[in-house]
Amino acid sequence: NAGVMQNPRHLVRRRGQEARLRCSPMKGHSHVYWYRQLPEEGLKFMVYLQKENIIDESGMPKERFSAEFPKEGPSILRIQQVVRGDSAAYFCASSQAGYGYTFGSGTRLTVV
Amino acid sequence: TQLLEQSPQFLSIQEGENLTVYCNSSSVFSSLQWYRQEPGEGPVLLVTVVTGGEVKKLKRLTFQFGDARKDSSLHITAAQPGDTGLYLCAGAQGGSEKLVFGKGTKLTVNP
Repeated sequence: NAGVMQNPRHLVRRRGQEARLRCSPMKGHSHVYWYRQLPEEGLKFMVYLQKENIIDESGMPKERFSAEFPKEGPSILRIQQVVRGDSAAYFCASSQAGYGYTFGSGTRLTVV
Repeated sequence: TQLLEQSPQFLSIQEGENLTVYCNSSSVFSSLQWYRQEPGEGPVLLVTVVTGGEVKKLKRLTFQFGDARKDSSLHITAAQPGDTGLYLCAGAQGGSEKLVFGKGTKLTVNP
């Protein structure tokens, strides 16, 4: 495992469709974080998960967005009924002890 | 209101020059991290500082955490074109695992 793997790298969805973004953390990392980056903006925290548990979802919009990190498989960020304002780069990061994230290369979501 | 303010927002310099970028806040952080991000990629961790007054050196990069743990600076000596990128600072507060990011300083080093 060379690092945090995110796929797809680019995702185009029409308004109203669903977007699923996947993240496989670094081997041995049990903490996963999702951040969103808008043009000219800093990264904004969305959600922090450990295996099968959502620890902090204070940055997640209340509607249409959900995240999971199942016992087996990657973490999934799901956006239902996408709107143009959801277009952004979504980054996943993982860590072991919380100090110093390793980020993936991101998924660039474009809603048309 | 941005919790972490980075300055300058943009910086364009010639190869060989020195530079300092700043990360300031009115809030206290338990730790502060610096990342570099290149276009189309995720941020890459450069350093973590946790102790007020701490200074860390990474080759030509020097990082300082303020005594009060509210601010930090990054100094680059003899900049090279390979240093070009977006430099982000990020802080953690209390026992929280989440990071608050600044908007970054976009550095361009011209050959």
